[in-house]
Amino acid sequence: DTGVTQSPTHLIKTRGQQVTLRCSPISGHKSVSWYQQVLGQGPQFIFQYYEKEERGRGNFPDRFSARQFPNYSSELNVNALLLGDSALYLCASISNRGNTGELFFGEGSRLTVL
Amino acid sequence: AQSVTQLGSHVSVSEGALVLLRCNYSSSVPPYLFWYVQYPNQGLQLLLKYTSAATLVKGINGFEAEFKKSETSFHLTKPSAHMSDAAEYFCAVRENTNAGKSTFGDGTTLTVKP
Repeated sequence: DTGVTQSPTHLIKTRGQQVTLRCSPISGHKSVSWYQQVLGQGPQFIFQYYEKEERGRGNFPDRFSARQFPNYSSELNVNALLLGDSALYLCASISNRGNTGELFFGEGSRLTVL
Repeated sequence: AQSVTQLGSHVSVSEGALVLLRCNYSSSVPPYLFWYVQYPNQGLQLLLKYTSAATLVKGINGFEAEFKKSETSFHLTKPSAHMSDAAEYFCAVRENTNAGKSTFGDGTTLTVKP
C-alpha cells in the first residue's frame, strides 16, 4: 500500500509569492486534512475535505485555500506569502473505517519564505 | 475549545530507563486521544489511541498510555528506553464532531543517552 504522498518536499519562495502544495491520500481514503507545523510547535489544523467538500477550517486567514479533486487528492494554496508562513505543511489522510479519526500523515512539504 | 498541554518540552533518559511523557487535555466531552511520534524530517506516525474502550492502551514499539478521566491525563510510558526511541512525541485530542481535526500539544523531544 502506498502511503500519503506530498509534493514538493522542499521549496523556497519570497514574500508576496503564491504557493501550491499537493497531496495524494492513501488509496481508498476519501478525506484529507491539512496541518501547518511551525518549528518548535505541534501541528495546527488548517482544513479538512471529505468527498470534495470542505468539512472544517482552522483559524487561518483567507490567503489559505484548498480543494479536493474527484480522485480525492488535494491541493493547498497560500497567496501573498509572509515570512511567518515558513513551516512544514502536513497532509493527513483519514480512514473511512470507524470514526476514531486516526490521521495518516505524509512526510510534509517544507516551505521557506524569504 | 479543546486543548492539550505537554509538560516538559525536553525529556532525557538513559538507555534502559523508564520513559514518561506527560499529557493533559481539556475537553467538554469524552475525548478521543492520540500519541504520535515524529522522527527528524518525517511526518507523524501514530503510536497509540484511546477511543473509550480500555483505559490502558498499548501501542507500537512497547509504548503504552493510561487514560485518567479524573486527572484529564493521558501520559505515555515505556518501561525501558531504546536509543531508537529518540524522537519528538505529540499528544493530540480529536474533535468529536470532526474526525479530521485534532488539536496537538507542542511536543516533547525525547533524548536517550547511552
